[in-house]
Amino acid sequence: DGGITQSPKYLFRKEGQNVTLSCEQNLNHDAMYWYRQDPGQGLRLIYYSQIVNDFQKGDIAEGYSVSREKKESFPLTVTSAQKNPTAFYLCASSIADREYSDTQYFGPGTRLTVL
Amino acid sequence: KNEVEQSPQNLTAQEGEFITINCSYSVGISALHWLQQHPGGGIVSLFMLSSGKKKHGRLIATINIQEKHSSLHITASHPRDSAVYICAVRSFYSGGGADGLTFGKGTHLIIQP
Repeated sequence: DGGITQSPKYLFRKEGQNVTLSCEQNLNHDAMYWYRQDPGQGLRLIYYSQIVNDFQKGDIAEGYSVSREKKESFPLTVTSAQKNPTAFYLCASSIADREYSDTQYFGPGTRLTVL
Repeated sequence: KNEVEQSPQNLTAQEGEFITINCSYSVGISALHWLQQHPGGGIVSLFMLSSGKKKHGRLIATINIQEKHSSLHITASHPRDSAVYICAVRSFYSGGGADGLTFGKGTHLIIQP
């Protein structure tokens, strides 16, 4: 079965610690994205990557970092510099063919709570 | 940046009712998406449309480009339709890049048996 997996589903972190959220896809998609969702707000883009070894900042990249060493994987690190990290984090992927389709396929999400 | 407004924010209806969720945006777009988010958090893409109307089962999505407005309809609603429905648009100025999607805040729908 093709799809996107995120782990863990729930994550607790002490203030001041870095934490890495995993995102893996076997859809052979070139593009991958990280979003943050807060109560009462729309999804906001943190980082995205169109191809391996390249990524771009989204609207709220401060305090986050990513890597894209493999096509299938796009891990997100929430650093201690992120002032309000408690949120629901969603990973997505899409075929990076802008002309035909940009439907994004979402993972199940990771709920991060900073204690 | 495009402003995306959804209405209503919350909607509770009885099973079998016809449901309409609205989405308005402020800047011309190349595509509009309707997404469904279940209580567990996972998001599923329902429709992507740039004109006219699309239908999938009991779901119908329409868009009026001139009025910058889209609607999502659910016929013969069922408790399993209970979810948050999210509208997202890709604006013309974005050039189709990944950073071009703007999301609405979502409509929380509850269908009671």
